[in-house]
Amino acid sequence: AQKITQTQPGMFVQEKEAVTLDCTYDTSDQSYGLFWYKQPSSGEMIFLIYQGSYDEQNATEGRYSLNFQKARKSANLVISASQLGDSAMYFCAGSQAGNTPLVFGKGTRLSVIA
Amino acid sequence: DAGVIQSPRHEVTEMGQEVTLRCKPISGHDYLFWYRQTMMRGLELLIYFNNNVPIDDSGMPEDRFSAKMPNASFSTLKIQPSEPRDSAVYFCASSPRGPGQGRPEAFFGQGTRLTVV
Repeated sequence: AQKITQTQPGMFVQEKEAVTLDCTYDTSDQSYGLFWYKQPSSGEMIFLIYQGSYDEQNATEGRYSLNFQKARKSANLVISASQLGDSAMYFCAGSQAGNTPLVFGKGTRLSVIA
Repeated sequence: DAGVIQSPRHEVTEMGQEVTLRCKPISGHDYLFWYRQTMMRGLELLIYFNNNVPIDDSGMPEDRFSAKMPNASFSTLKIQPSEPRDSAVYFCASSPRGPGQGRPEAFFGQGTRLTVV
């Protein structure tokens, strides 16, 4: 089974600055997917971005980009131009070989400071 | 589409009582997942279904937990009898795609916050 590790329990970033949230994964499969979700204080889980293991380019979705380094088994989330509304918990998740259930990391709490 | 709908949003019950959580997945989604979120254990998969059939229930903590999906538009998670340690947020999620069919992200409901006193 895939294992997802997020080593930063909490992060602070100044508004309008960029921030990187770390995620490493451990899987023996060649085919897998990596995801990031945002959980604001209201509690819902919001899908942000996806990277497939065979995707040659790093995924981008607006201000979110995924820094995918396959050899290092890392899938860091980069948020550019942070906004106060970005303050939330961020979860990295992985799936293996198709639509297997997501395995989640412990999360990183991001606080954006004005 | 209204998204994944869970009910109730909040549930407070006494220890020993039966609790039923409900989920309506997004129409057309073949996969349904039940997750539990606690501070100590994070997000854990309890069980998932494909085309209404339970595929993996190894995450169900005890026999007190059971889940059903009688049709494509409805699933329940039942705890009987409930215990204080079952207090958590329970999420239902659905996904439209199977292997090789593209990006398989899960769409989550708003969650049910369960408190067992």
